[in-house]
Amino acid sequence: NAGVTQTPKFRILKIGQSMTLQCTQDMNHNYMYWYRQDPGMGLKLIYYSVGAGITDKGEVPNGYNVSRSTTEDFPLRLELAAPSQTSVYFCASSQDRGPYGYTFGSGTRLTVV
Amino acid sequence: GNSVTQMEGPVTLSEEAFLTINCTYTATGYPSLFWYVQYPGEGLQLLLKATKADDKGSNKGFEATYRKETTSFHLEKGSVQVSDSAVYFCAIVSGSARQLTFGSGTQLTVLP
Repeated sequence: NAGVTQTPKFRILKIGQSMTLQCTQDMNHNYMYWYRQDPGMGLKLIYYSVGAGITDKGEVPNGYNVSRSTTEDFPLRLELAAPSQTSVYFCASSQDRGPYGYTFGSGTRLTVV
Repeated sequence: GNSVTQMEGPVTLSEEAFLTINCTYTATGYPSLFWYVQYPGEGLQLLLKATKADDKGSNKGFEATYRKETTSFHLEKGSVQVSDSAVYFCAIVSGSARQLTFGSGTQLTVLP
């Protein structure tokens, strides 16, 4: 039972480079989310999706893009990386209904230099 | 919008001490309430939850009661262990997209 799988675990980018953070879940959850966690802070929602083909902005979407072509995958794209995007990124998924929490991936630690 | 306010950290306790981490929230409607725990270098794990007023969530000796009248969901444990050292996040979920809103987290260190 893999749950939510994120790759890579660590990455160093130079300013202006681009990359895609991968997220896959095998629980058939329709709802998926991307959060970033800055040191000493809580998690901020970047983007979310309520199903394949449907995405929407969260609290801090600038500098990021997402797509959701399948139920399983929800990649996060960083274009023109900036030092302000240095953070730990978490992907999560959730069931559609009921008082359930999220299942989180183990995170991607990104440093932009 | 929704918001969660957590007790400022860090918190340092001796083993077997009593733990309280305060959490209050503002939300429209009737949110579900959660506590998550994050061990060093790991993702967040659900610790406990409550879905209606006066519900008590419990797990691994931790408890929290959904208090609608005070909009609070304080985390407690009667006797902490070194292995409880982690960051604890209070969170609420509401809305059709079930977006979780997190508090800023409380770092707990338990000394032997």
